[in-house]
Order: sequence, then structure tokens, then C-alpha cells
Amino acid sequence: TQLLEQSPQFLSIQEGENLTVYCNSSSVFSSLQWYRQEPGEGPVLLVTVVTGGEVKKLKRLTFQFGDARKDSSLHITAAQPGDTGLYLCAGARGGGSNYKLTFGKGTLLTVNP
Amino acid sequence: DSGVTQTPKHLITATGQRVTLRCSPRSGDLSVYWYQQSLDQGLQFLIQYYNGEERAKGNILERFSAQQFPDLHSELNLSSLELGDSALYFCASSPRGGQLYGYTFGSGTRLTVV
Repeated sequence: TQLLEQSPQFLSIQEGENLTVYCNSSSVFSSLQWYRQEPGEGPVLLVTVVTGGEVKKLKRLTFQFGDARKDSSLHITAAQPGDTGLYLCAGARGGGSNYKLTFGKGTLLTVNP
Repeated sequence: DSGVTQTPKHLITATGQRVTLRCSPRSGDLSVYWYQQSLDQGLQFLIQYYNGEERAKGNILERFSAQQFPDLHSELNLSSLELGDSALYFCASSPRGGQLYGYTFGSGTRLTVV
């Protein structure tokens, strides 16, 4: 059973388009993180959202944490080829030295020039 | 460079063999996590160590084991390898308060079992 469901699984768009990817769960998380992974590399942290309803903006990327802290979305405005990659959401449980992340399977985004 | 070093980057070995993957965490990070990534399963948590002690176990097979040494580097040992063990293996580290800082991942070891 996948704890975190990400949709869509694959997304191919043209440069300049907007897009939204989703991360849903039936479980509550203490925080949620988004990572981007490029081929041959490990995931790189983009953002951490902690408070239900929180919205964070990172240039053209907007992240939102659901009010109930069970879901999140990532919106990209005017996508560029450099945004291509695997976008992973990860839900956090525990704290301190017992902190653990559970990852979704990701959304593979391709932005065509 | 993320600060987390994994070696080797690629590994090709035969079924039934044993391999050791090595990870040096980012300076100052006490927690080390091992993940296995495959196309169909995504990133699967294997095991976590904190300051030399095992803290959590995920979907780690009995054929696999790990340890964290006093200098905080970690090794993941995979034995009696099967074709299905072929995957990317990632190590990540975090400070004690990882909830806000997230994980820092290494570049991974691509294991191919033939």
C-alpha cells in the first residue's frame, strides 16, 4: 500500500505552460517535503511545509500544504526545460532522531522547448 | 556536491555475490538513511542509523545489513544477490532536527546484478 499517492505519474508539456502536480494521503503528516530528482542524481530538497494551509513560493514554484496536513500540491508557472525532472513528495513523521520520511513514487515532468 | 558521498557509483556483479556500499554523511549530520529506488517501487526506505545506533527499519531484506561507524560513515551490505536486487541505492543524511532541514542525498550507487 502506497502511503503517498502522486498524480499524474507522467506529465509532458511545452515550455511556457503552467502545471500542477498533486500529493495525496489518508494519513496526517507533521510536515511535507518536495524534492526534485534529475537523472543519475539523488533527490534535492525544494521546500518543507509544516503548517496546515501553508503556502510557500520559490520563484515560479508554489507549494501548498492541505489544511488537514494530508495532501499537498506543487504549481509551476511558465515551465522551462530546466524544470524537467522527477518531483517527489515526502511525508514526515516523528521528530528528533526518530524523524522519518516516506516518499511517493513521483511525477516525471518533461518540459519541451 | 551535496556533501553526502557514496561509493562506488556503479557496481556490476553476479547473482549470489556479496557487495558493500559506502556512504559518508554531510559534515555534522548524525542520521544516515538508506533507500532503494526502482522504477516500479519508487524510493523504498531500508534502514536508519543515528549516531551509530540503528533507529528504524523499513523494507530491508534479511540478506541485507548495515552499520554506522564511530566516524559516522555507513555501509550497506547486500549478500546472496538476486537479479531483483538491481536498483539505485541512495544514502541520505540529516541533522538531528531533520524535520525542518530535510534529507541531503548522495548521488547513489547503481547496482546491476547479472
